[in-house]
Amino acid sequence: NAGVTQTPKFQVLKTGQSMTLQCAQDMNHEYMSWYRQDPGMGLRLIHYSVGAGITDQGEVPNGYNVSRSTTEDFPLRLLSAAPSQTSVYFCASSRTSGDTQYFGPGTRLTVL
Amino acid sequence: AQRVTQPEKLLSVFKGAPVELKCNYSYSGSPELFWYVQYSRQRLQLLLRHISRESIKGFTADLNKGETSFHLKKPFAQEEDSAMYYCALRPYNFNKFYFGSGTKLNVKP
Repeated sequence: NAGVTQTPKFQVLKTGQSMTLQCAQDMNHEYMSWYRQDPGMGLRLIHYSVGAGITDQGEVPNGYNVSRSTTEDFPLRLLSAAPSQTSVYFCASSRTSGDTQYFGPGTRLTVL
Repeated sequence: AQRVTQPEKLLSVFKGAPVELKCNYSYSGSPELFWYVQYSRQRLQLLLRHISRESIKGFTADLNKGETSFHLKKPFAQEEDSAMYYCALRPYNFNKFYFGSGTKLNVKP
């Protein structure tokens, strides 16, 4: 039981490049979410999903896309990276939105 | 709009001293409140939630709806309590979470 896994751990992009941050969980959780963590601002919700095929926007969705084709996977796509997207990204999952969230190890992204 | 405020960025106490990490929130409806903790080189994890009314690792937190606060308390701090602590709010029956900016607790020997 690996819990919540995220890849890659580190990534450096140039402005305008695109990439996908991967998130997977093996706990059969319905609720999955993406956060970004910035100094002095805590964690901010980017997008979330309450089940396969269902996604919705969080607090800071601009510049990010998500999809949920399976229960296990919830990738986060940056379509055209900007320096303002330099951050640490966390994926989390829980049985339902009201249950304990389990966090992944994070991806540190730098956009030059 | 929902908002969670943790006024202290850094809190330093000596081992054995009481500790209180402050959390204030703004939300007009019924909130669910949580404390999450991130120890060095570990993942963010749930410490406690107000609906369970548990004491975890000696920590307690009481939801005060009148003062809109959910302060985290421990009577005797230990060095292993040193970590980053985040207060979080979920509006009841909604699927979004709102986190505070975090308080770094440093327990000195």
